[in-house]
Amino acid sequence: EAQVTQNPRYLITVTGKKLTVTCSQNMNHEYMSWYRQDPGLGLRQIYYSMNVEVTDKGDVPEGYKVSRKEKRNFPLILESPSPNQTSLYFCASASGTTYEQYFGPGTRLTVT
Amino acid sequence: AQSVTQPDIHITVSEGASLELRCNYSYGATPYLFWYVQSPGQGLQLLLKYFSGDTLVQGIKGFEAEFKRSQSSFNLRKPSVHWSDAAEYFCAVGPPGAGSYQLTFGKGTKLSVIP
Repeated sequence: EAQVTQNPRYLITVTGKKLTVTCSQNMNHEYMSWYRQDPGLGLRQIYYSMNVEVTDKGDVPEGYKVSRKEKRNFPLILESPSPNQTSLYFCASASGTTYEQYFGPGTRLTVT
Repeated sequence: AQSVTQPDIHITVSEGASLELRCNYSYGATPYLFWYVQSPGQGLQLLLKYFSGDTLVQGIKGFEAEFKRSQSSFNLRKPSVHWSDAAEYFCAVGPPGAGSYQLTFGKGTKLSVIP
């Protein structure tokens, strides 16, 4: 089954404790992105990747890091999380030909 | 910079009634246009997309959308709403040819359906 998976689905952590949210897709897609969703603000793009070893900032990259060492994986790293990073995070992937983004189920992160 | 406006934060319709969700965008040229739906507790699912050509596009679940260049709009419609359509709907735009990795989303319209 074609899918985007994220782990963990739920995470509660404390300020400053480094964390990684994993994202994996099995569709051999070139493009992958991370978004955060906040009430009243919709989805905002954090980072995106056009292919392996190619990443670029989205609209709200501050406080986040990403890497793309393999085509299927695109982890999101918060090196020193803060409460304003409490949000619902979505990973997405897309083919370079259809431009349709496929979204993962989301990761709800709470930073206290 | 590109932007997307969904003027209606929340819409309530009766089951069986018609639906139109509005989307206006700001972009220098004709962008790639998308509508996504998010059911409670779920990720986003693509309903339909417009790249070029016929300005009326058909999507899944009986939805359609019409691109109007003169109005910079891409409104979503459904002739008869079902209770299962209750969800949040997002319009998104992206640069032509690169829409897959630079999407800008509207803030969403939450649809409630009255039985």
